[in-house]
Amino acid sequence: GNSVTQMEGPVTLSEEAFLTINCTYTATGYPSLFWYVQYPGEGLQLLLKATKADDKGSNKGFEATYRKETTSFHLEKGSVQVSDSAVYFCALTDLGNQFYFGTGTSLTVIP
Amino acid sequence: EAGVTQSPTHLIKTRGQQATLRCSPISGHTSVYWYQQALGLGLQFLLWYDEGEERNRGNFPPRFSGRQFPNYSSELNVNALELEDSALYLCASSLRPMTEAFFGQGTRLTVV
Repeated sequence: GNSVTQMEGPVTLSEEAFLTINCTYTATGYPSLFWYVQYPGEGLQLLLKATKADDKGSNKGFEATYRKETTSFHLEKGSVQVSDSAVYFCALTDLGNQFYFGTGTSLTVIP
Repeated sequence: EAGVTQSPTHLIKTRGQQATLRCSPISGHTSVYWYQQALGLGLQFLLWYDEGEERNRGNFPPRFSGRQFPNYSSELNVNALELEDSALYLCASSLRPMTEAFFGQGTRLTVV
């Protein structure tokens, strides 16, 4: 079956540090991959997406590359800010019957 | 363009009562998804509607039900509320089935 596995949190970084949040997936077929971000007390916001192998999604300084050979979609940012503190969710859909979400990774950035 | 809107923002109910949550998708979106986000449990898939039909449901008891109206808005009904139903209920919509989904702010349901 389909599933998404994210690195366990919480993650605490200093401002301007490099961020990597690991995400690996299991899927039949050719899934589309997404990263969502949830700020405290809010719903999820779509951060970036990739729909086929080797695609790179990017937004607001965040990037993730769809790696079919390693079934991964790791989220990266070169220099995090305090405002990036949130929970990040990796997700996939294989155009089947539902989206599959990871358990979320909490990020705290300290000044 | 208006995003996905959910109402009410907060809802407090007593155990055994019924709760109705509403969702208006982005204009033109035909698919609506419902998720439960309980503390510490991540997002649990509840229901998916498309073109007025229920297309899939998650592993929840039948007291969780819903529908999608001709204008593609949706409501989620939870009957016989239990304390463990307390959670943030998130609605999302997409232009086509299982393409990028956009979420609302959620309804915080508290069962006392």
